[in-house]
Amino acid sequence: GAVVSQHPSRVICKSGTSVKIECRSLDFQATTMFWYRQFPKKSLMLMATSNEGSKATYEQGVEKDKFLINHASLTLSTLTVTSAHPEDSSFYICSARTSVGEQYFGPGTRLTVT
Amino acid sequence: SQQGEEDPQALSIQEGENATMNCSYKTSINNLQWYRQNSGRGLVHLILIRSNEREKHSGRLRVTLDTSKKSSSLLITASRAADTASYFCATDDSGNTGKLIFGQGTTLQVKP
Repeated sequence: GAVVSQHPSRVICKSGTSVKIECRSLDFQATTMFWYRQFPKKSLMLMATSNEGSKATYEQGVEKDKFLINHASLTLSTLTVTSAHPEDSSFYICSARTSVGEQYFGPGTRLTVT
Repeated sequence: SQQGEEDPQALSIQEGENATMNCSYKTSINNLQWYRQNSGRGLVHLILIRSNEREKHSGRLRVTLDTSKKSSSLLITASRAADTASYFCATDDSGNTGKLIFGQGTTLQVKP
């Protein structure tokens, strides 16, 4: 299957700082990428849809000024958690959609805010 | 209840046995996908079944889709200890936005 990478895989930051997470589709172009959040032992919750060349679409309840998304190219989307707080600690997963509708997921980024 | 509900929530079987997981959903879909997640890791895409398909196979995996009942099942045959993981179904919205709505998942434990 298609490969999606995320960087970093783990990050620990102090409260009040910002953290950027990258999501790359390695062997295909993705006009659409998605960002999810997953709490321990829970399912994935869609945060936003990242569209190449246009603004991201956020799900209800997700603060767009806190979770900045940039889809700079057909293979790269970034999620920046601004002014992070301990409650932002979570597992963040991105996915990239192929032209036939399959979605491939990155390995996830574990964010811990101290 | 949510789109993409799964049952059972947890399943424990012996190696060699078959494992069946079910998923129900509420709205119209274009396709339904099954994913696997090992603890603390990303999701691995297993199989996609389109709304006009009824059954699909991939190796030891068999997926069925019944759009009249809005349900799908994932069968893993001849299970192995390495199949131990959480399995999620995900449905897209028929508006073709690509958004996936995930079920709560089934945690499968295969005992050696």
